[in-house]
Amino acid sequence: KAGVTQTPRYLIKTRGQQVTLSCSPISGHRSVSWYQQTPGQGLQFLFEYFSETQRNKGNFPGRFSGRQFSNSRSEMNVSTLELGDSALYLCASSSGLAGGYNEQFFGPGTRLTVL
Amino acid sequence: AQRVTQPEKLLSVFKGAPVELKCNYSYSGSPELFWYVQYSRQRLQLLLRHISRESIKGFTADLNKGETSFHLKKPFAQEEDSAMYYCALRGRGSTLGRLYFGRGTQLTVWP
Repeated sequence: KAGVTQTPRYLIKTRGQQVTLSCSPISGHRSVSWYQQTPGQGLQFLFEYFSETQRNKGNFPGRFSGRQFSNSRSEMNVSTLELGDSALYLCASSSGLAGGYNEQFFGPGTRLTVL
Repeated sequence: AQRVTQPEKLLSVFKGAPVELKCNYSYSGSPELFWYVQYSRQRLQLLLRHISRESIKGFTADLNKGETSFHLKKPFAQEEDSAMYYCALRGRGSTLGRLYFGRGTQLTVWP
């Protein structure tokens, strides 16, 4: 099985711009979770999508949003970028179903730099 | 509130020495606990989970509900164990897709 893929791998933006990141889950997985990783805050949960619906949401401002398509691919969008948004953004996919291990498989991440 | 604490940011041992990476948690309920590992230039991957009670690459971790701890142990460290280790917690039911991570411990095993 192909692993979780994320595009692009690297992005450089300036303050005030917006950005869209993409995540393609493992085939058959219906859940996609997004995390922000920074040296200061570590790994923090952004949100989770399951079957095109947001199922869980972390404590991030409304500038961070996401969606999931019918093929389970997910995008996250950050509007009005701030310097503090510079981070590695990871997505993880899983079956999303109770009753099993429901292991989360992580992608390589998108490195976002805001100048 | 849910919290995962890894008190050691850095840990160094010599090859062949025992290693223990500490993890403490707080959670109101019965969480699932995990250890994730990230080797240099590789993606984050699951090492082990408490419910399977297995040994992976010589590592074990026991969930101690009384002390709310989930320490990772290996009796004889190897150089290839050098990596970043994250302890993580997950609730049950509808929160299956949300992991709470500790800040991580960078383990270095010297030859």
